[in-house]
Amino acid sequence: GAGVSQSPSNKVTEKGKDVELRCDPISGHTALYWYRQSLGQGLEFLIYFQGNSAPDKSGLPSDRFSAERTGGSVSTLTIQRTQQEDSAVYLCASRETGGGYTFGSGTRLTVV
Amino acid sequence: AQSVTQLDSQVPVFEEAPVELRCNYSSSVSVYLFWYVQYPNQGLQLLLKYLSGSTLVESINGFEAEFNKSQTSFHLRKPSVHISDTAEYFCAVGLTGGGNKLTFGTGTQLKVEL
Repeated sequence: GAGVSQSPSNKVTEKGKDVELRCDPISGHTALYWYRQSLGQGLEFLIYFQGNSAPDKSGLPSDRFSAERTGGSVSTLTIQRTQQEDSAVYLCASRETGGGYTFGSGTRLTVV
Repeated sequence: AQSVTQLDSQVPVFEEAPVELRCNYSSSVSVYLFWYVQYPNQGLQLLLKYLSGSTLVESINGFEAEFNKSQTSFHLRKPSVHISDTAEYFCAVGLTGGGNKLTFGTGTQLKVEL
């Protein structure tokens, strides 16, 4: 597609429930990133996929967070047993080799 | 590891006045530098970037930033702001060796007033 698409745009969930956030990157972009943007804070790196290489998971805040990228395209970020501190905007970005990031509009997650 | 500091969380400025948004970084190796802009309820958009070459880089909407290696800074400037420039601005640094994940600053909210 023309840009990075994220769904849903907004998600309200109850504490303790699992959620899945989806990212459709730009076709042909080999790299895909997940970031988290909390109120009043910058962007926190979560995880990075590059081609068929093992993902860089160094930013995942706990083992409740996981992500996968199927077929080198669509990615899903899963948060298990959500907590209120997980409330944030989750941003996905993709990048072609040697290019800059293109961000999606994000998923606003609210845990109540 | 690299880090980015944006000291000003908010910068109020009147329309048509000049503005400077400060960004300092820390890294032991060569870096790429970026400014991203986030308009209300939208995703981040690349405003400008420094990869190599001229230390002064410009965007299409009148912003410019200068890479200063000795001061480890990449401040963003505009000589005359417009109401439509109201947004949050993020400075980011990436390593030249890896070209992988970017490290972002905490952002500066630019509020342009009449």
